[in-house]
Amino acid sequence: EAGVAQSPRYKIIEKRQSVAFWCNPISGHATLYWYQQILGQGPKLLIQFQNNGVVDDSQLPKDRFSAERLKGVDSTLKIQPAKLEDSAVYLCASSLVQGGTNEQFFGPGTRLTVL
Amino acid sequence: GENVEQHPSTLSVQEGDSAVIKCTYSDSASNYFPWYKQELGKRPQLIIDIRSNVGEKKDQRIAVTLNKTAKHFSLHITETQPEDSAVYFCATLYSGAGSYQLTFGKGTKLSVIP
Repeated sequence: EAGVAQSPRYKIIEKRQSVAFWCNPISGHATLYWYQQILGQGPKLLIQFQNNGVVDDSQLPKDRFSAERLKGVDSTLKIQPAKLEDSAVYLCASSLVQGGTNEQFFGPGTRLTVL
Repeated sequence: GENVEQHPSTLSVQEGDSAVIKCTYSDSASNYFPWYKQELGKRPQLIIDIRSNVGEKKDQRIAVTLNKTAKHFSLHITETQPEDSAVYFCATLYSGAGSYQLTFGKGTKLSVIP
């Protein structure tokens, strides 16, 4: 089966610019996650969707980050405006259903560099 | 929220030796403990997991042990091979406010020396 797809793979922007990332989960997976992985650290959950509804966005910096999953399939994550500390790999993951012990499958990530 | 501590941050072993990575967690309600392997520049991939009703699980050269009382779990890799070199992350499943959130440790960079 096809895995989680993400684009772009790399992005370099200047601070205060805007950027958007796209994710296409595994077909049939109801739950979609966006993680931020700063160099040398583990992934940190930013937002979790169940179908097209937000389940948890408690760690999303809402003053600059936004995400949507309008039709319950693809998702976009946006940063506006970007800061230097946003440099990280942004990972999208999906799982069949919520409820925890279902394996999360990760995409290849988008490496963001903010100059 | 959950707090996961992972040790060591780096580990070097000779090929054929064993490697052990340990994690502790704070939330006694956590009930699922996966381990992910991330090769350089690649996505994290699940290599083994354990649920709270089990004390040990083994899959070929990889094993995970869980001590719920002490709130720690460990990854054991035996007969290490160069292709085991990667960053390994432990994680716990924390449930709160209707969501099921994985909290990751900071990772252990394992280097297997041929």
